[in-house]
Amino acid sequence: EVQLVESGGGLVQPGRSLKLSCLASGFTFSNYGMNWIRQAPGKGLEWVASISGSSSYIYYADTVKGRFTISRDNAKNTLYLQMTSLRSEDTALYYCASTVATEFDYWGQGVMVTVSS
Amino acid sequence: DIQMTQSPASLSASLGETVSIECLTSEDIYNNLAWYQQKPGKSPHLLIYYASNLQDGVPSRFSGSGSGTQYSLKINSLESEDVATYFCLQDSEYPYTFGAGTKLELK
Repeated sequence: EVQLVESGGGLVQPGRSLKLSCLASGFTFSNYGMNWIRQAPGKGLEWVASISGSSSYIYYADTVKGRFTISRDNAKNTLYLQMTSLRSEDTALYYCASTVATEFDYWGQGVMVTVSS
Repeated sequence: DIQMTQSPASLSASLGETVSIECLTSEDIYNNLAWYQQKPGKSPHLLIYYASNLQDGVPSRFSGSGSGTQYSLKINSLESEDVATYFCLQDSEYPYTFGAGTKLELK
């Protein structure tokens, strides 16, 4: 059974940094792409970033490009999202999602990031 | 970027009824369209991928159709557990984009 468990969220001041993690299990992590998607409170879904299994291909939404970095450690079955220069508009529930058979086929429970002074 | 226009924004229907949700895209996405269901307080759940393929474990009352720039999700014989918000996603090209969502409620 595929399981994705996010961690690392919390309250952070504007301009500061935060690093999210997503621990994966139930599939061969290194073989598949992974993604971060976020959802602001009461709002819709926004794709944030994607990374291929070997980290050869990485893509970002324009809203986070230059501030966020997606990475993975295949030995630890873990996906990361390093977030810097955080803004109030980055406040959201952040989900990691896998691309096993198709895009975003499995999702974690999400981790909340609140950017506020 | 590919723009997604999802309609309606909200929908009220009775048990047993058939409902449809539509997504229009700003350019041809060659069937690279998925549908997700999100129940209150829960993570999104994949229902349909590549426009019309039912994800394993999803009830057969859900179906997807469409091509080009026009896609739809149909729910036959609505059940109480179908109360949720539904989103479409285009995964034809980056940046991937979601529809704004359709909130389905029981009448």
